[in-house]
Amino acid sequence: DAGVIQSPRHEVTEMGQEVTLRCKPISGHDYLFWYRQTMMRGLELLIYFNNNVPIDDSGMPEDRFSAKMPNASFSTLKIQPSEPRDSAVYFCASKTDRLNYGYTFGSGTRLTVV
Amino acid sequence: QKEVEQNSGPLSVPEGAIASLNCTYSDRGSQSFFWYRQYSGKSPELIMSIYSNGDKEDGRFTAQLNKASQYVSLLIRDSQPSDSATYLCAVNKWRNAGKSTFGDGTTLTVKP
Repeated sequence: DAGVIQSPRHEVTEMGQEVTLRCKPISGHDYLFWYRQTMMRGLELLIYFNNNVPIDDSGMPEDRFSAKMPNASFSTLKIQPSEPRDSAVYFCASKTDRLNYGYTFGSGTRLTVV
Repeated sequence: QKEVEQNSGPLSVPEGAIASLNCTYSDRGSQSFFWYRQYSGKSPELIMSIYSNGDKEDGRFTAQLNKASQYVSLLIRDSQPSDSATYLCAVNKWRNAGKSTFGDGTTLTVKP
């Protein structure tokens, strides 16, 4: 199994530009999570999906952020327009619906907005 | 009060010593508990899970759970410099089996 696959690994963009982060979860996993991690705020849950349906997006910072999961094997997180304070590492993770199972994280996307 | 609390550290131990990492949680509906290790610049990696009171051992790692006192701990025996990382505690609840609540992590440094 290739694990959770995220792309790109690094993204440098100018303020105001649109950024799209991509994630392919592990096949058969029912849940997909998007997290953001910074030194100041730690690991923050942005949004998560169950069977491709968004369940809780209360962690999405503002309307500039949007996420989709059009099918079980693909999800995107979009930031439009991007701002320097969005600079962080964005992780995607997936898991089964079993209570006693933990997450598998992707390698993350390091986003720098200049 | 945060749902899951960990000592922020940093925790420093000499090589070969036992490192003890602690985590407390506030919701008695919590049922599954996880420890993740995150090396600097890397993603979190699941290293231990525990669901029943008592100890669970896996190599040099032992997870301990006490539901009555609402704490879970991770012991690392014979600590190695390669164990230097941030350790995240995470908790699942019955009523939401999919989503984990994470602590802020404890940074461990093992000095040669």
